[in-house]
Amino acid sequence: DARVTQTPRHKVTEMGQEVTMRCQPILGHNTVFWYRQTMMQGLELLAYFRNRAPLDDSGMPKDRFSAEMPDATLATLKIQPSEPRDSAVYFCASGPFGSGDYEQYFGPGTRLTVT
Amino acid sequence: QQPVQSPQAVILREGEDAVINCSSSKALYSVHWYRQKHGEAPVFLMILLKGGEQKGHEKISASFNEKKQQSSLYLTASQLSYSGTYFCGTEGGNYGQNFVFGPGTRLSVLP
Repeated sequence: DARVTQTPRHKVTEMGQEVTMRCQPILGHNTVFWYRQTMMQGLELLAYFRNRAPLDDSGMPKDRFSAEMPDATLATLKIQPSEPRDSAVYFCASGPFGSGDYEQYFGPGTRLTVT
Repeated sequence: QQPVQSPQAVILREGEDAVINCSSSKALYSVHWYRQKHGEAPVFLMILLKGGEQKGHEKISASFNEKKQQSSLYLTASQLSYSGTYFCGTEGGNYGQNFVFGPGTRLSVLP
């Protein structure tokens, strides 16, 4: 049963610390998304990659956030330095995006709390 | 600009039908629909591209009216498992830009 995995599932950190969230997309999927969800802002698309290249990261605060895909099996989202307003659930999703197949499969999320 | 969803919330009895609407003030390239249960990750339901096509997913289908810049999600003969919050997401432009989610519609299906 192929699934998107995310680590860590929960992270509590102090303001100013670096946070790295990891995502393992489903094998064979060429598109990876990063989303954020908060009570105040709702769901937001932060960035997405196709074939490991960033296609759109306009939703991401550039000064402190960075997203990369070092290889096809790993996507990372880093926040440096973290701030209390970054507290949210961060979801990763992947999809095959070939031949008109636009399905996305979400990971369980990383719940980040910045104190 | 965030799309508008209506209604904000709806309560149904099992077996009843529901329609959730998503409208935008800008020209749309695509509309995406998701369902999220409390405490869980969203689940992708479907995407509708420019062209006004209708798509289906079991007893859940959707339409996309480009001219009206809106999409509707149809839930037929609702089941208890349909309960959750439904989000639409929209992209504008000619090639799909500036993806933004709507605020969500909370659907409760009662026995």
